[in-house]
Amino acid sequence: DAEITQSPRHKITETGRQVTLACHQTWNHNNMFWYRQDLGHGLRLIHYSYGVQDTNKGEVSDGYSVSRSNTEDLPLTLESAASSQTSVYFCASSDLAGGDTQYFGPGTRLTVL
Amino acid sequence: RKEVEQDPGPFNVPEGATVAFNCTYSNSASQSFFWYRQDCRKEPKLLMSVYSSGNEDGRFTAQLNRASQYISLLIRDSKLSDSATYLCAVNSYNNNDMRFGAGTRLTVKP
Repeated sequence: DAEITQSPRHKITETGRQVTLACHQTWNHNNMFWYRQDLGHGLRLIHYSYGVQDTNKGEVSDGYSVSRSNTEDLPLTLESAASSQTSVYFCASSDLAGGDTQYFGPGTRLTVL
Repeated sequence: RKEVEQDPGPFNVPEGATVAFNCTYSNSASQSFFWYRQDCRKEPKLLMSVYSSGNEDGRFTAQLNRASQYISLLIRDSKLSDSATYLCAVNSYNNNDMRFGAGTRLTVKP
């Protein structure tokens, strides 16, 4: 069955370190998204991509970057981790731009000390 | 003001009760509307899309009111297994990104 996976599922890091969270989907979806979820804020979009070599900033992109070198993967990089980036990160994918159902990965719980 | 707002709850209801959630959105250009369900420490999963004419899926009914810019979710005959957080999501083709509400927590008790 097609799926979307994230790794690691849990990560503890220190302030200032670079961290990369992986997202891999086997649905062959063109669109991929990264969200963070914090209490009281719900899901907020960090970056998204509509295809290979395409990346776009979302609502809360500062301090994060993504790259899309193939259809299946959209890794999220925290250039210099900050305590404010402690959160649960969800990757999602969909197959139509602007409106189609998004399917979420299981999430990565990141703690920045 | 947040683009998508929900009553955070919690809603505590007995089994068999009918419960309704509302979600308001501020972007009048919004085109697509969804309800997601999220269990504790799990990922959101699509519950149902919301169509202009309203739609029903078993015990769940979703409605859209464009004039007042809100969507609603009605759950009839609540089950213990309905306990979860319900997120509304709104997408605009102009913005090309999905905005989520913070979620409404539902607990169904025996």
